[in-house]
Amino acid sequence: DTGVSQDPRHKITKRGQNVTFRCDPISEHNRLYWYRQTLGQGPEFLTYFQNEAQLEKSRLLSDRFSAERPKGSFSTLEIQRTEQGDSAMYLCASSLESRFPNTEAFFGQGTRLTVV
Amino acid sequence: DQQVKQNSPSLSVQEGRISILNCDYTNSMFDYFLWYKKYPAEGPTFLISISSIKDKNEDGRFTVFLNKSAKHLSLHIVPSQPGDSAVYFCAASFTGFQKLVFGTGTRLLVSP
Repeated sequence: DTGVSQDPRHKITKRGQNVTFRCDPISEHNRLYWYRQTLGQGPEFLTYFQNEAQLEKSRLLSDRFSAERPKGSFSTLEIQRTEQGDSAMYLCASSLESRFPNTEAFFGQGTRLTVV
Repeated sequence: DQQVKQNSPSLSVQEGRISILNCDYTNSMFDYFLWYKKYPAEGPTFLISISSIKDKNEDGRFTVFLNKSAKHLSLHIVPSQPGDSAVYFCAASFTGFQKLVFGTGTRLLVSP
């Protein structure tokens, strides 16, 4: 296990279609995050899991977005009825809960979504 | 509102010289700061972090300075190398707040 893995790396879809992305975190990491990055911006937080529990969702995560982490390992992010504004890089990150209050998150290579 | 700001969208430096990337924040609750480096078509890579109980942290060629009173931090790269050319993001969080808040990034170009 060399890092956070995301699949697919690229996805082109037609407006109105549903898409699903997968993230496999670093194996011992119990925290998993989804971020979205658009051109010229930094990554923006979407949602966060601790083990299988989804503990926080950003208001950026509309009703068309859903994320799961069914067994506390890999996670999926689904976008229903995609819109052109959903075109972005979707980044997954993971970190390890420790006795220290803050630890760095490690990012995957991202899934670039293009909605045409 | 943009809680973490990187006001310089780009910086050009010659190889061997110092690169200084700056970051300002507005939320005084932030107590942990990180720098990430990002190459095109890749995810951000963690570089270095600093807790608010410190004002400096070093790791090899990279040093981060934190000025809490000014709500300002900077990343120094000495000496700069062409392989350092990338977009650098400043990020912040605070204890109990699991997400990172990122700046908009600074594109560093190190020329030979």
